[in-house]
Amino acid sequence: KAGVTQTPRYLIKTRGQQVTLSCSPISGHRSVSWYQQTPGQGLQFLFEYFSETQRNKGNFPGRFSGRQFSNSRSEMNVSTLELGDSALYLCASSLDGSSNYGYTFGSGTRLTVV
Amino acid sequence: AQSVTQLGSHVSVSEGALVLLRCNYSSSVPPYLFWYVQYPNQGLQLLLKYTSAATLVKGINGFEAEFKKSETSFHLTKPSAHMSDAAEYFCAVSGGSNYKLTFGKGTLLTVNP
Repeated sequence: KAGVTQTPRYLIKTRGQQVTLSCSPISGHRSVSWYQQTPGQGLQFLFEYFSETQRNKGNFPGRFSGRQFSNSRSEMNVSTLELGDSALYLCASSLDGSSNYGYTFGSGTRLTVV
Repeated sequence: AQSVTQLGSHVSVSEGALVLLRCNYSSSVPPYLFWYVQYPNQGLQLLLKYTSAATLVKGINGFEAEFKKSETSFHLTKPSAHMSDAAEYFCAVSGGSNYKLTFGKGTLLTVNP
């Protein structure tokens, strides 16, 4: 079966702009979570969605937001981009978000802010 | 609260040698523990996970890890390193109803010929 699909793979944006990243989970999976990976901070949890509801949110400013659609696809949005937002953004797909089933990651979107 | 400490940001071994990557965790609830591998410009691939069924967990590519509650450890091992094992390895903990993984800082494994 198809894996987790993240689009686009690479993105270059200018400071102050906004960006939307997309994640399509594995078919049948209803939980999608997002992580930011940077050399300095490592992998940090952004938020998790299940059946269109955000169940948990990490410690990020309000410029970072997300949503999930009825088909479980998810998008995350970053407004007013800053240089420090340059990172690899990873999406994880899970059957129900529980630890027992685990999480499958996509290949990520590499965002560069200039 | 949960946290993970990976001892050694960089480990270098010779091809054919034992691989040992260390992970210690802290968790206020029974933990679920994971090891992921990341190759350059790729996402995270699950190597193995501990979900309380068995303390010795076997994963893909010959890797295994042992859960030791008394030591709060979940070290990753492989008897014989291969060049293709060169990558970054992440230990992660989850548990309770927080629906998230908490990762360690990662260990970069270099395999020398």
